[in-house]
Amino acid sequence: QVQLQQSGPGLVKPSQTLSLTCAISGDSVSSNTAAWHWIRQSPSRGLEWLGRTYYRSKWYYDYALSVKSRIAINADTSKNQFSLQLNSVTPEDTAVYYCAIDRGWLELDCWGQGTLVTVSS
Amino acid sequence: DIVMTQTPLSSPVTLGQPASFSCRSSKSLVHSDGNTYLNWLQQRPGQPPRLLIYQISNRFSGVPDRFSGSGAGTDFTLKINRVEAEDVGVYYCMQSTQFPLVTFGQGTKLEIK
Repeated sequence: QVQLQQSGPGLVKPSQTLSLTCAISGDSVSSNTAAWHWIRQSPSRGLEWLGRTYYRSKWYYDYALSVKSRIAINADTSKNQFSLQLNSVTPEDTAVYYCAIDRGWLELDCWGQGTLVTVSS
Repeated sequence: DIVMTQTPLSSPVTLGQPASFSCRSSKSLVHSDGNTYLNWLQQRPGQPPRLLIYQISNRFSGVPDRFSGSGAGTDFTLKINRVEAEDVGVYYCMQSTQFPLVTFGQGTKLEIK
């Protein structure tokens, strides 16, 4: 059974980079049948899909158009985890951030516990 | 982007009674491959969302059979045939037909009367 454990700071200053990590147990980040996602949730924007990475002989990345210029999702096979980096953050990026796995077509069947990230000076 | 509109915003239900949630999309969710990528998620208070239903009507593993999904095109429904106390939370529909323009509804809150 897959479990996802998130870590990272809960406070980021405006214009800096938000960095979160999602550690995987029960599956491999290099799995040929899974994809690894980041989603966020805020009162003003609701649930918002941010992007994913997956491995099918090579690494692929897909990002939401709303954050495409500022986002990077990377996998670390040595630690079996994946990460989110969001650059040039503003208070609008304040949200609970979730990692999740899907093994179909965005059937997000297991989620991390969530990390509240506040962007404030 | 496809806009997902859920109604009602709040649904007070008596334990043991049925509940029904509606989700309407601004465009047809039928993908060019013939599938319809409409999922339902449940978010209990203080918890991350949980997948209930995928592709309109397929219950995810471990989801009780009192949950069912139906619909086609732009109109979709999630039903609970007998509400239990553990069903309290917010229910979201989500479309991924227009990937990477993935969108969620604003949610319907299920409360017990």
